[in-house]
Amino acid sequence: KNQVEQSPQSLIILEGKNCTLQCNYTVSPFSNLRWYKQDTGRGPVSLTIMTFSENTKSNGRYTATLDADTKQSSLHITASQLSDSASYICVVSPRAGANNLFFGTGTRLTVIP
Amino acid sequence: DSGVTQTPKHLITATGQRVTLRCSPRSGDLSVYWYQQSLDQGLQFLIQYYNGEERAKGNILERFSAQQFPDLHSELNLSSLELGDSALYFCASSVGLAGDRANTGELFFGEGSRLTVL
Repeated sequence: KNQVEQSPQSLIILEGKNCTLQCNYTVSPFSNLRWYKQDTGRGPVSLTIMTFSENTKSNGRYTATLDADTKQSSLHITASQLSDSASYICVVSPRAGANNLFFGTGTRLTVIP
Repeated sequence: DSGVTQTPKHLITATGQRVTLRCSPRSGDLSVYWYQQSLDQGLQFLIQYYNGEERAKGNILERFSAQQFPDLHSELNLSSLELGDSALYFCASSVGLAGDRANTGELFFGEGSRLTVL
């Protein structure tokens, strides 16, 4: 069964600290994995995309990793800021294109001063 | 700004009523998706349209229906509303279908329509 599981469900960290969010998937065949950031009450916005051949990709203070063998991805946030408080959603596509997307339920990150 | 426009932003109605949510996709995007997000829940896929035709269906109730018009805007109709239908409804658009070279799979989401059923 194609599934995407994220952990932890929620996380509270102090401003300036680093954190890592996890995404495990069983989707097959695999095309790509995206991390989205969703601010409260807003629509999700894509942070990064990882394809099968990519191990690491950075977008500012966000670094995503992918291990296609173990079907795991992580999103590392460095030097967190209050504006990082949001839900982070892992989305896996089983083939090129936007159809048949599998969504994780997200990790709710709260950064406190 | 994602380029996807949803109206209305907020809607309050009573049980048993019917509402219509509207979505205008990004310019050039042919695919429109509708998602439901209940409080503190993940995004639940409802339905997808591509160039006016229904392409995929998720967990969409029979009381809900949607369509995509020739100008590519889409409407989600929710009828016989129940308290449990209160949620954020998101529309997203993408370039095209799986296999399209230009389609990287990125969805562009609107800001959502918050529906409250009293």
